[in-house]
Amino acid sequence: ETGVTQSPTHLIKTRGQQVTLRCSSQSGHNTVSWYQQALGQGPQFIFQYYREEENGRGNFPPRFSGLQFPNYSSELNVNALELDDSALYLCASSGTANEQFFGPGTRLTVL
Amino acid sequence: GEDVEQSLFLSVREGDSSVINCTYTDSSSTYLYWYKQEPGAGLQLLTYIFSNMDMKQDQRLTVLLNKKDKHLSLRIADTQTGDSAIYFCAEMGNTDKLIFGTGTRLQVFP
Repeated sequence: ETGVTQSPTHLIKTRGQQVTLRCSSQSGHNTVSWYQQALGQGPQFIFQYYREEENGRGNFPPRFSGLQFPNYSSELNVNALELDDSALYLCASSGTANEQFFGPGTRLTVL
Repeated sequence: GEDVEQSLFLSVREGDSSVINCTYTDSSSTYLYWYKQEPGAGLQLLTYIFSNMDMKQDQRLTVLLNKKDKHLSLRIADTQTGDSAIYFCAEMGNTDKLIFGTGTRLQVFP
């Protein structure tokens, strides 16, 4: 059974640019959640996708958007990058609502 | 509101027990979780407990839940150097999102 994978591992962008992060969910999981983890902090919920529809959103601006595909993989898009967007972005997949399994994350640095 | 609090640091000697504490505010929390994060890595789900339980044991891990005081603890028996990491407490309420604490850094020394 393949676990949750994310790409790329690291990414460096400049302010104002756009970025797309990718996540492949664990086999059999139809729900993907995205979290932002700033340095020294706990992860913060961005949004969740269930069967290709957004199923809840945290306190993040509209320039954070996402997609889920028919194979349940997902993308996180961030437009107009700001310095404070520098963080570890974590994707978690779940088959049942009460267990979320995380990928290794994508480290985004905005200069 | 939703808030989860943890102490920042814990240092223990190898072979001793570690107890990491967490308090939460959302009384509608249905599940409470412990995750482990090693440097530069994602989060590893260690264990979780349903809100109608008081205790759950899984090998070296024991979770205690005091729902009245909204207090959760994780006990690691026979702590090893490989247990050194950041431990996050998280709650899940009526939505499927996890609310995390700021994490407790566990340092195990020989």
